[in-house]
Amino acid sequence: DAKTTQPPSMDCAEGRAANLPCNHSTISGNEYVYWYRQIHSQGPQYIIHGLKNNETNEMASLIITEDRKSSTLILPHATLRDTAVYYCIVKETSGTYKYIFGTGTRLKVLA
Amino acid sequence: EAQVTQNPRYLITVTGKKLTVTCSQNMNHEYMSWYRQDPGLGLRQIYYSMNVEVTDKGDVPEGYKVSRKEKRNFPLILESPSPNQTSLYFCASSLRGYQPQHFGDGTRLSIL
Repeated sequence: DAKTTQPPSMDCAEGRAANLPCNHSTISGNEYVYWYRQIHSQGPQYIIHGLKNNETNEMASLIITEDRKSSTLILPHATLRDTAVYYCIVKETSGTYKYIFGTGTRLKVLA
Repeated sequence: EAQVTQNPRYLITVTGKKLTVTCSQNMNHEYMSWYRQDPGLGLRQIYYSMNVEVTDKGDVPEGYKVSRKEKRNFPLILESPSPNQTSLYFCASSLRGYQPQHFGDGTRLSIL
C-alpha cells in the first residue's frame, strides 16, 4: 500500500472550513483513500473514502486531485466537537489487508 | 445496534500472568483486526483475520496470539505479558478487508 504523509497538527476557527491535506504520491490505480478520526482516546471513526472522484457525505467532503497524488478532507463548518486526530490511509481492494494508520493530523478547533 | 465490543475496558495485571482480551462484533463481518496505540506512535496493527480460521500478522505481532474460531469473535491473547505491552488496544471489524472498519471502545492494559 502507498504511504501517506500528513501535517502533524492544524488549527481551525469554529464555524470555518477545516481543510486537512494528505499526500499519497505513490498511490496506485486501485487504491482507495480512506479518512478516519479519533476523538481523545475513543475508537477511531470512519469518515469517508474515495477512489478518484470527489465524495461528500453528511460528515465531510473528500477532494482527490486529478493525478491522485494528494487529497483534502474538508469539514465545511468545523465545531469544537471536530477536535480530533485525523488519519488518512490508502488501501487497495485486493492483496494484503494490513493497515498502516500513521500518526495523523491533530486538528484543534478554536472557539 | 451494530457494534464491536471489547472486554475488559481496563485491566491492571502483573508480568507473566496470561490474559485474554475479548472482541465480539454483531455485524457478520468477515474481517477483524487488533491494534495497539502508544503515545507518539499512532495506531499499529497487531494481527488481522480475513475470515474464520484465517489470521495473519500485522506490524507488531510479537508477544501476542489470536484465534478466529467463530466469525463474531477475535480474542487477543497475551501468554506472558510484559511491561512493554502496556498500551491502549482497539479491536475493529469490517465486512471485507478493504472496507471501512468499525472500532471498539478500546481496552487499556497496564502490565506491572
